[in-house]
Amino acid sequence: DTEVTQTPKHLVMGMTNKKSLKCEQHMGHRAMYWYKQKAKKPPELMFVYSYEKLSINESVPSRFSPECPNSSLLNLHLHALQPEDSALYLCASSLGPSYGNEQFFGPGTRLTVL
Amino acid sequence: AQKVTQAQTEISVVEKEDVTLDCVYETRDTTYYLFWYKQPPSGELVFLIRRNSFDEQNEISGRYSWNFQKSTSSFNFTITASQVVDSAVYFCALSGPYNQGGKLIFGQGTELSVKP
Repeated sequence: DTEVTQTPKHLVMGMTNKKSLKCEQHMGHRAMYWYKQKAKKPPELMFVYSYEKLSINESVPSRFSPECPNSSLLNLHLHALQPEDSALYLCASSLGPSYGNEQFFGPGTRLTVL
Repeated sequence: AQKVTQAQTEISVVEKEDVTLDCVYETRDTTYYLFWYKQPPSGELVFLIRRNSFDEQNEISGRYSWNFQKSTSSFNFTITASQVVDSAVYFCALSGPYNQGGKLIFGQGTELSVKP
């Protein structure tokens, strides 16, 4: 089973709402990633979790808060977002955080902030 | 600094045509990895291939083939006899800094449209 799942597929939220994005993988991978992708642009790395610990934070605003409850799950908590945060949010996983491991992506959550 | 350049923003072909997507990279690392991903309209990035810097053999997988040339820092992707289902955005990527394991440097992507 080489699949990364993400819920919800679509999310519309107001600027004062609190919501969470969820990601799950059952491939035994020990590295998980959050990316943000705007239309017509490549994915931008936000966070990397390695063995359930945050290893990379690409200077993401604090209104985005990642959480890795266990090796299979990755959450992204959203609070007080801005309209410019509207984007496709992609989760990925890889066997480990080692240099050069291929990443497997989920289908993404399309987020709209009103 | 590491960089990936996909000079072709959009390509449009008619079904059954062959098409090559260009990828040029910059890195000072002697060991590095290159990747291609496909992103159909549904949004999910699909992993296609990984190549390490010590393996310059070309690779063929069905209608897909890849040409890796270190001398020109290129890792080009060819689709033979294109089909409508090949319509997608294709990203070339380079492994990021060694001390930031897992990071990928993406090119801007090439949007391929295959018309029937």
